[in-house]
Amino acid sequence: DAGVTQSPTHLIKTRGQHVTLRCSPISGHKSVSWYQQVLGQGPQFIFQYYEKEERGRGNFPDRFSARQFPNYSSELNVNALLLGDSALYLCASSLNGGPVTDTQYFGPGTRLTVL
Amino acid sequence: GNSVTQMEGPVTLSEEAFLTINCTYTATGYPSLFWYVQYPGEGLQLLLKATKADDKGSNKGFEATYRKETTSFHLEKGSVQVSDSAVYFCVGTGRRALTFGSGTRLQVQP
Repeated sequence: DAGVTQSPTHLIKTRGQHVTLRCSPISGHKSVSWYQQVLGQGPQFIFQYYEKEERGRGNFPDRFSARQFPNYSSELNVNALLLGDSALYLCASSLNGGPVTDTQYFGPGTRLTVL
Repeated sequence: GNSVTQMEGPVTLSEEAFLTINCTYTATGYPSLFWYVQYPGEGLQLLLKATKADDKGSNKGFEATYRKETTSFHLEKGSVQVSDSAVYFCVGTGRRALTFGSGTRLQVQP
């Protein structure tokens, strides 16, 4: 079975632009979470979606938004990009609603560089 | 809120040396605790986990015991290999998300 897939692998944008990152969870998984990993740091939680509804939001500005589709895939959108948004964006899927009860499986990430 | 603190790296060891990576956590309640590993060029992988006090997680020769009295979850391996070179993250559960430590890079030399 395929694991969590993310696209694109790498992305270069300039300040002020908009970006959309995509994630496909493991087949049968209904929950998707997004994390931001700045170089040299641990991942920071951005969003969790379960059954197409937002279930959790981390401490990120409103420029960050996400959604989950009926097939449980997900998009992360970032508007008005800043240099500080440069990071590896990770998607994690789990069977049900949360990390307390389910193992989270991570994708390889999308490396975003903002110039 | 929850937080996880782990020892800074890099940690450089010779093959077959003993490994300890310290991790302590601060949380309301009793979180589940994990060690995740990030090999070069690969995604994060769950290495081991413990869901309650005194639980011992183990996998691939690595072990960690959930110590409630010291709020610790130190990672140990008796004999490291070159293939263990990676970044190791100590992780705790929050209400909706995982809380990661800053990561410890391990370099094992032949």
